[in-house]
Amino acid sequence: DTGVSQNPRHKITKRGQNVTFRCDPISEHNRLYWYRQTLGQGPEFLTYFQNEAQLEKSRLLSDRFSAERPKGSFSTLEIQRTEQGDSAMYLCASSSPAGGSYNEQFFGPGTRLTVL
Amino acid sequence: DQQVKQNSPSLSVQEGRISILNCDYTNSMFDYFLWYKKYPAEGPTFLISISSIKDKNEDGRFTVFLNKSAKHLSLHIVPSQPGDSAVYFCAASPQGGKLIFGQGTELSVKP
Repeated sequence: DTGVSQNPRHKITKRGQNVTFRCDPISEHNRLYWYRQTLGQGPEFLTYFQNEAQLEKSRLLSDRFSAERPKGSFSTLEIQRTEQGDSAMYLCASSSPAGGSYNEQFFGPGTRLTVL
Repeated sequence: DQQVKQNSPSLSVQEGRISILNCDYTNSMFDYFLWYKKYPAEGPTFLISISSIKDKNEDGRFTVFLNKSAKHLSLHIVPSQPGDSAVYFCAASPQGGKLIFGQGTELSVKP
């Protein structure tokens, strides 16, 4: 399977703990995106990378959130001092400039975070 | 500030009939639009897209229409099948980079 993979699929943590999620994009895709989705809403953009460079961060990405893509391949999203409001599905997507456009993004299955 | 809106949270259609899902946007800088389908506990799956230089794109049973003057797009599914039952999201891209999603429309196709 050469799709986007995310680990873990589910994470339950206590308020105040730190959590880290991993995303492995489709191998030839050089752009990688993080989104967050809460119940009844569409995915909301958090940040994206082109290779190892972080090109844009949303206002949603507070100081407690940090994302890295150190070698331009997999990426990690860390949330420090988790709060109950961080409970959501965290989605990763990747894209390549096939056909001259990065527009079509392919999503992984997501990591469901529950903060107790 | 909801730049992409799907005003119908749900839609129910009989198998074999046409499903029409609608989406409105506010930002005229959006130049690419996409539809994604999502099943529970899975990530969104890309379905079909359209560039702002076109007004129609077709792929099998799926057709997307874009009306730039009205800032409106729609997804037509003909004929609808029970396996099409899912949540459908429209998304817009402001010249590459991030996607901005609507709230989703849950489609139920009844046999």
